Amino acid sequence: GESVGLHLPTLSVQEGDNSIINCAYSNSASDYFIWYKQESGKGPQFIIDIRSNMDKRQGQRVTVLLNKTVKHLSLQIAATQPGDSAVYFCAEVSGGYQKVTFGTGTKLQVIP
Amino acid sequence: KAGVTQTPRYLIKTRGQQVTLSCSPISGHRSVSWYQQTPGQGLQFLFEYFSETQRNKGNFPGRFSGRQFSNSRSEMNVSTLELGDSALYLCASSLAQAGDIEKLFFGSGTQLSVL
Repeated sequence: GESVGLHLPTLSVQEGDNSIINCAYSNSASDYFIWYKQESGKGPQFIIDIRSNMDKRQGQRVTVLLNKTVKHLSLQIAATQPGDSAVYFCAEVSGGYQKVTFGTGTKLQVIP
Repeated sequence: KAGVTQTPRYLIKTRGQQVTLSCSPISGHRSVSWYQQTPGQGLQFLFEYFSETQRNKGNFPGRFSGRQFSNSRSEMNVSTLELGDSALYLCASSLAQAGDIEKLFFGSGTQLSVL
């Protein structure tokens, strides 16, 4: 029979507010983490990355926080805009050679 | 610079058939990875090629195969298609410079429907 569709957690945010998207990763040996944004009908787009020897990295309107103690990653988007509406994936890289493991994703809905 | 190009954009096949998907990486990128995306399983790694060699492989049956050409273009093939192979197949390329972890640049994917 058909597999049950993956229920994506959804975060609804008012335009102009800050968004926080969370992710739990599985491999404590992962040495690199990435956030991707996927808009409808497109492939994932790189947003920001962070190495395991860091706990915070800032980009333009985005900040990634890494807590290795609890294997948790978060993406903060400041002043969320309608164009930020998309599915956001965290990904962990381990063992080199581009083997990237993606999380299940979070759907961000921005309310105008 | 052109992005990652995948062809065809949409494909409809029937069970038992085989299919070949194509990916042209960004010029100068030497690594090509393939992913399967479904609502039920999310994004799953299929395999990665660098300089015409498969360096990494995910947990998919042997019906899924791929190759990379000398110009870095890549193809993936799925034989004896099953209904569960219906998915968005994404290709990603990267520079893959030694000693550095590279950003993946994704194409828009090929949406495969198996009837």
